[in-house]
Amino acid sequence: GQNIDQPTEMTATEGAIVQINCTYQTSGFNGLFWYQQHAGEAPTFLSYNVLDGLEEKGRFSSFLSRSKGYSYLLLKELQMKDSASYLCAVRPYSGAGSYQLTFGKGTKLSVIP
Amino acid sequence: DSGVTQTPKHLITATGQRVTLRCSPRSGDLSVYWYQQSLDQGLQFLIQYYNGEERAKGNILERFSAQQFPDLHSELNLSSLELGDSALYFCASSPAGEYEQFFGPGTRLTVL
Repeated sequence: GQNIDQPTEMTATEGAIVQINCTYQTSGFNGLFWYQQHAGEAPTFLSYNVLDGLEEKGRFSSFLSRSKGYSYLLLKELQMKDSASYLCAVRPYSGAGSYQLTFGKGTKLSVIP
Repeated sequence: DSGVTQTPKHLITATGQRVTLRCSPRSGDLSVYWYQQSLDQGLQFLIQYYNGEERAKGNILERFSAQQFPDLHSELNLSSLELGDSALYFCASSPAGEYEQFFGPGTRLTVL
């Protein structure tokens, strides 16, 4: 089975940097995704890691360590609009053509002035 | 706008009833996924279709079923509805498996 843990809530100040951690245990691994979800809206894709290391995309970076079952999402120069839930999702390898995602419960980030 | 459309946006119904949720994937996407999101459980994978064929099943109840049609749109059928089925139901699509999934705006189902 799969188990994904991330903090329930975090608060950070506008303009600051925040790191959201995610640990996972999965039978088979075929990639880790981060999604952003504003309340009542659809999740939107932020990043994808399948190899160890850091992927940078503008103000957002994501890191993966497969041996540790660990990832983090780094948000720089926080803006008020970054207040949202951040979902860590693992794609376990479960057979050819099967690509479902297993999501953590999400980290609700509040950005304060 | 992800390009994935879902109808209806909201649905209110009574226990014991049956409903159908509809999803149209992005143009060219062959894979369709259904997820359920409730407050206490987070986003849970239900089922995946690829070009009309079922590819993976998650925590989908026997009262629920889905299909993908030749034009690639998909429908999720929920029957004998219970109060606990109240949730946001998302459809997502991807070109094939090895890409990120793009989520539709969701259908909010309320069972009274």
